[in-house]
Order: sequence, then C-alpha cells, then structure tokens
Amino acid sequence: GAVVSQHPSWVICKSGTSVKIECRSLDFQATTMFWYRQFPKQSLMLMATSNEGSKATYEQGVEKDKFLINHASLTLSTLTVTSAHPEDSSFYICSARPASGEQETQYFGPGTRLLVL
Amino acid sequence: GQNIDQPTEMTATEGAIVQINCTYQTSGFNGLFWYQQHAGEAPTFLSYNVLDGLEEKGRFSSFLSRSKGYSYLLLKELQMKDSASYLCAPMDSNYQLIWGAGTKLIIKP
Repeated sequence: GAVVSQHPSWVICKSGTSVKIECRSLDFQATTMFWYRQFPKQSLMLMATSNEGSKATYEQGVEKDKFLINHASLTLSTLTVTSAHPEDSSFYICSARPASGEQETQYFGPGTRLLVL
Repeated sequence: GQNIDQPTEMTATEGAIVQINCTYQTSGFNGLFWYQQHAGEAPTFLSYNVLDGLEEKGRFSSFLSRSKGYSYLLLKELQMKDSASYLCAPMDSNYQLIWGAGTKLIIKP
C-alpha cells in the first residue's frame, strides 16, 4: 500500500528557532501534498496545499512567511516553522495525493508533534 | 457555509454494535470519508462512499445518503482497541476534505 512518512515524529525546540518537517511519499509520486495542523481535541485544520514545482496555496489565516512550504520533488514536501513560538506547538500532519489515480485519494503521514518551549 | 455535525462522544460496550451519525453541508460533493484517529496519532482511512448506499468492510460499514446530507459508520463486535475518535470528512467540489471535530468513542468492558 501507499506509505507516507514524516520526519521527525517528535521535536522540541526553543522559542525563536526554526523547525523543518519533512513529508515523503515512499512508494509513489505525489503531485499534491497537504499540510494540516491539529490542536488537542480539535479537528484537523488544513494549512496549505503544495503542488510540486509551484508555490503553495495557503488557507485563510495561515501566515505564508511563517510556515514555509517547499515541494521540490514528487516525493518530498517540507514545512518549515520559522521563529517558532509556544502557540505553534501542535500536531502537524501531511497527506499526499498520488500523481496517478483518483483526485479523492489522499494518504496520510503519521504526524509530527511539535513542542515549542 | 460548510459544516459537519457528529456527536462529540459516545460510549458502548465491548462486543456490542454502535452507529455514529454524521450530517454535512458542503460546497459540492466528491464523496465522504470516515477516518479513525487514536489519541496522539494521525487519522487512518476506514471507508469512502461516493454513491448512496451501504459499504461493508469487515466489522465496519458506512452508509451514505447524498440527498439527505447524511452518513453513518456502523461498528460491529466492538473491541477495546476500537476506542478512538471517528472523523466524518466529506470532500467538497475542490477535492478538499472538510473536517469536523469527530466523535470520541469509548468502549467499556
């Protein structure tokens, strides 16, 4: 089956530092990857949609200069949280849509838990 | 606007059957997904319905009525490991998943 990995799975950082999270599709090519954020006991919130080779599309209220997304290849997208603050502490989840296949298909990564001290 | 409505929490007994209902309103519709999410983990895919009717997959079944904007997830022979949140997520005309807060299911022995 299609596998999506995220790295790291856990990260603790100091306030003001930047954190990079990687999302990889391991056995398929993904033209589109989605980045979600989930706070405790809340629903998943779509942050942005990234398409390989083009700029990401950010949802309303998500700062594109703070959450930098790079989708440089068909198997890798990265989310960089710049100048992280405690309120950025959350569960970040990516999903990937295969290049071949139906548009409704998305495979989720295992998530990255970020704690900013 | 787009909206998902499911119960916040449900409790059921091991071995029993439980039905989790979901009503939704979306801008366009490209099917509805059910996901299971254990605490601290990412969602895992359970089912996808795009046509009306019942889809059965082992102990889990999912039903869709597009005209009513309604779906349910039926879990049979409940096991303790089924304790999790269950997320109803319709897909809108842009193929974007619309997420609610989910239903926390508690299984008691």
